Amino acid sequence: DQQVKQNSPSLSVQEGRISILNCDYTNSMFDYFLWYKKYPAEGPTFLISISSIKDKNEDGRFTVFLNKSAKHLSLHIVPSQPGDSAVYFCAASAVGTGNQFYFGTGTSLTVIP
Amino acid sequence: KAGVTQTPRYLIKTRGQQVTLSCSPISGHRSVSWYQQTPGQGLQFLFEYFSETQRNKGNFPGRFSGRQFSNSRSEMNVSTLELGDSALYLCASSRSPGGGQETQYFGPGTRLLVL
Repeated sequence: DQQVKQNSPSLSVQEGRISILNCDYTNSMFDYFLWYKKYPAEGPTFLISISSIKDKNEDGRFTVFLNKSAKHLSLHIVPSQPGDSAVYFCAASAVGTGNQFYFGTGTSLTVIP
Repeated sequence: KAGVTQTPRYLIKTRGQQVTLSCSPISGHRSVSWYQQTPGQGLQFLFEYFSETQRNKGNFPGRFSGRQFSNSRSEMNVSTLELGDSALYLCASSRSPGGGQETQYFGPGTRLLVL
C-alpha cells in the first residue's frame, strides 16, 4: 500500500522558470516530510524538509509547502537550472518510527536550457 | 569526511542462491537503514539498525535479514533469491534514529540482478 504518492512520473521545464513537484500522502500520523534528489548511479541526496507544524520551508531556490488538510506537499524550484535535472523523491516519517521513511515513486525533472 | 560506502556495487546471482551486501556508514553515524528500490515502487524500507539492534522492520519476508556490528557497519542478507529481488539496494546512515530531524545520507547502492 503506497502511503506516499507522486503521480507525475516526469516533468519538463524551461530553464529560468518554476518547477513544481507534487506529492500526496495518506497517513495522518506522518510528522516529517523530506525531499531527496537523485542522479543516475548515485544515492539520493537530501534536499529540504518540513515538519508537520509548519506549512512552508524555504532554502535558497527550493521551497516546500505542506497542506495538512489536503495531505499534500509540493516542492518549488525557482529559478530552475539545467543542473536540477534529476529524479526527485518525497518521503515521510511517522511519529516514533525513527528513520523508517516512506518514499514516493519519484518524479524525473528535466530542465531544458 | 568519507561518505556512505556500499560493497559490492554490482552483483549477479541465480535464483535460490543467497547474497550478503555490506554498508559502511559515515564515521560517527550509528544508525543504518536499508531500502530496496525497484522501478515503479520507489524506495521501500527494509530495516533500521541502531547500536547493533534492529529498531524497525519493513514489510518484507523473512528471507531478508540484517545485522549491525559494533563499529556500526551493517550487512543485509537475502536468502533463497527470487527473480523479483532484482533491485537497487540502498543503505543510509545518520547519527541517530531521529526521524526527520536527523539527515540521512545515502550510499550509491548495490545493484543486484537475479537470473
